[in-house]
Amino acid sequence: GAVVSQHPSRVICKSGTSVKIECRSLDFQATTMFWYRQFPKQSLMLMATSNEGSKATYEQGVEKDKFLINHASLTLSTLTVTSAHPEDSSFYICSAPGLAGRMETQYFGPGTRLLVL
Amino acid sequence: AQSVTQLDSQVPVFEEAPVELRCNYSSSVSVYLFWYVQYPNQGLQLLLKYLSGSTLVKGINGFEAEFNKSQTSFHLRKPSVHISDTAEYFCAVIRNTGNQFYFGTGTSLTVIP
Repeated sequence: GAVVSQHPSRVICKSGTSVKIECRSLDFQATTMFWYRQFPKQSLMLMATSNEGSKATYEQGVEKDKFLINHASLTLSTLTVTSAHPEDSSFYICSAPGLAGRMETQYFGPGTRLLVL
Repeated sequence: AQSVTQLDSQVPVFEEAPVELRCNYSSSVSVYLFWYVQYPNQGLQLLLKYLSGSTLVKGINGFEAEFNKSQTSFHLRKPSVHISDTAEYFCAVIRNTGNQFYFGTGTSLTVIP
């Protein structure tokens, strides 16, 4: 079946550095991908919608200059956390709709755990 | 707007006992409903979903859920749990014409030997 991968699975970085997280759709194309953030013991919160060939759409309260999203191809979206700080430490999950973009068929990546020291 | 409420943040249950995880939603339009399971440090795995048709939906690992439109509920059930069912469970909805998932706050199921 369709699979979404994320890389890296976990990353530790120093405060002030930038971190790039990749989200790939394997064996299917995704013109749209979604980025979520999950704090410990909390639910997933949608951060932004990544659109291939156009700008990402950010949810209210999410800083677009801090969380840069690039959807360079039909199978790859990247989230770059710029100048990361300890409060950015979280579990980041991406997802992509399968079956010709139908939202009810959604594939989630395994997540990337970011720890900022 | 849509919202999802999972009434129980933690549910401990003994092995082989039945379990019900509750989920209520609010929406002024028709929605699709989902249950996902998340094991530690992993992404989400779809357990089951309701799109239309029969209100009783059967999913993987012996789970099932019933859509109750009048009570706006979509409770998840399993007649006999295993240790391996210990995980976090999320209820989610999307509008049937929408493109955004709304997740509940999750229910931590702990199966006790």
